[in-house]
Amino acid sequence: QVHLVQSGDEVKKPGASVKVSCKASGYPFSSYGVSWLRQAPGQGPEWMAWISGHNGKTEYAQKFQGRVTLTTSGNTAYMELTSLRRDDTAVYYCTRDPKILTGYYYLELWGQGTQVTVSS
Amino acid sequence: DIQMTQSPSTLSASVGDRVTITCRASQSISNHLAWYQQKPGTAPNLLIYKASYLHNADPSRFSGSGSGTEFTLTISSLQPDDFATYYCQQYDSSSRTFGQGTRVEI
Repeated sequence: QVHLVQSGDEVKKPGASVKVSCKASGYPFSSYGVSWLRQAPGQGPEWMAWISGHNGKTEYAQKFQGRVTLTTSGNTAYMELTSLRRDDTAVYYCTRDPKILTGYYYLELWGQGTQVTVSS
Repeated sequence: DIQMTQSPSTLSASVGDRVTITCRASQSISNHLAWYQQKPGTAPNLLIYKASYLHNADPSRFSGSGSGTEFTLTISSLQPDDFATYYCQQYDSSSRTFGQGTRVEI
């Protein structure tokens, strides 16, 4: 079966960093891209960044430039967010898109989400 | 950034109703629009891509239309499983922005 399985929930202090993993299974990882999004309580999703499963090329939303780093290893993608603030508290999702195959970035497969709570 | 505006924010409907949700883009995005359904406590689920293409095995009561700046999602006959929040998203520009959501409730 085709799955994206994310790492567990995290609680961090302001100023710390968090690294969330996203393990892909059931499909050729290098044929797809992985986007990361977050969703704060009561809000819509917010796109953060994208990485190619083929060559590691990355794209970052301007808002997160310099604070987010995406990497991959094997069929697992990672998102690291640094200098955490209280307003970074949200559910973080990894998603699969068919950009490499089709040229389009729609989000056709989602991980289950990882709650990141920033609190002192 | 391209702004996406959905209307209405909340929609009250009954089982069997025909429901239409509108999404407007602040500039033309061709047909680079997707619709997602989200139920409480779960991740969003892709319904429609390229404005009008139904994703995989999604029920055919869902349909999408539009191009340029105005788009609609229609549910032809609302079912109990359809009560959820719906989001549009543009993927034409690098900002890949979402609408604020439309909650469909009884």
